[in-house]
Amino acid sequence: DQQVKQNSPSLSVQEGRISILNCDYTNSMFDYFLWYKKYPAEGPTFLISISSIKDKNEDGRFTVFLNKSAKHLSLHIVPSQPGDSAVYFCAASAWGNGNKLVFGAGTILRVKS
Amino acid sequence: EAGVTQFPSHSVIEKGQTVTLRCDPISGHDNLYWYRRVMGKEIKFLLHFVKESKQDESGMPNNRFLAERTGGTYSTLKVQPAELEDSGVYFCASSRAGTGNEKLFFGSGTQLSVL
Repeated sequence: DQQVKQNSPSLSVQEGRISILNCDYTNSMFDYFLWYKKYPAEGPTFLISISSIKDKNEDGRFTVFLNKSAKHLSLHIVPSQPGDSAVYFCAASAWGNGNKLVFGAGTILRVKS
Repeated sequence: EAGVTQFPSHSVIEKGQTVTLRCDPISGHDNLYWYRRVMGKEIKFLLHFVKESKQDESGMPNNRFLAERTGGTYSTLKVQPAELEDSGVYFCASSRAGTGNEKLFFGSGTQLSVL
């Protein structure tokens, strides 16, 4: 049973435009959400996170939005750059489970120049 | 500061053989995690060490998998005997001690292929 779902396996965006990556979750106990970015032959690297007490968190070109009622979060990248091309993983954790992260399957983002 | 180091980066073995993966966490990180990604699917939790103790091993697939972290420093993950479905990328991650939600730092992974 996949608790974190990224339904778009891939996304292609023109440089300078907005990239929107989506993620849905089913476990209402999740209270912390993260996005990780992964380049080929490298491990995932932390990008941005959001606590369930917030609905938005922004860090430079990256903004994460959380809609708890819909159990949905999204990552916005504005403007998109070719160096953003990577696999993006959505992850979640529940209070008391420490850093036992539950990941989605990832979305491959291609930013075309 | 050196990152999380994993060895080997790739391993190709035959079904029934034994393989041992090694992870060196970031110095001073008490928390060490093993995760696995199979065939482009989600990254799945395997287990969590706090120092040398297993805090949570609920994600370990079966008793063919044995993880150790002697002395609370590096960790090994042994698969014996390996099966075809064990193929995938095994990631190690570490984090500082804390109450949770500390940032995880991942290694580059070990690509395991069981033929």
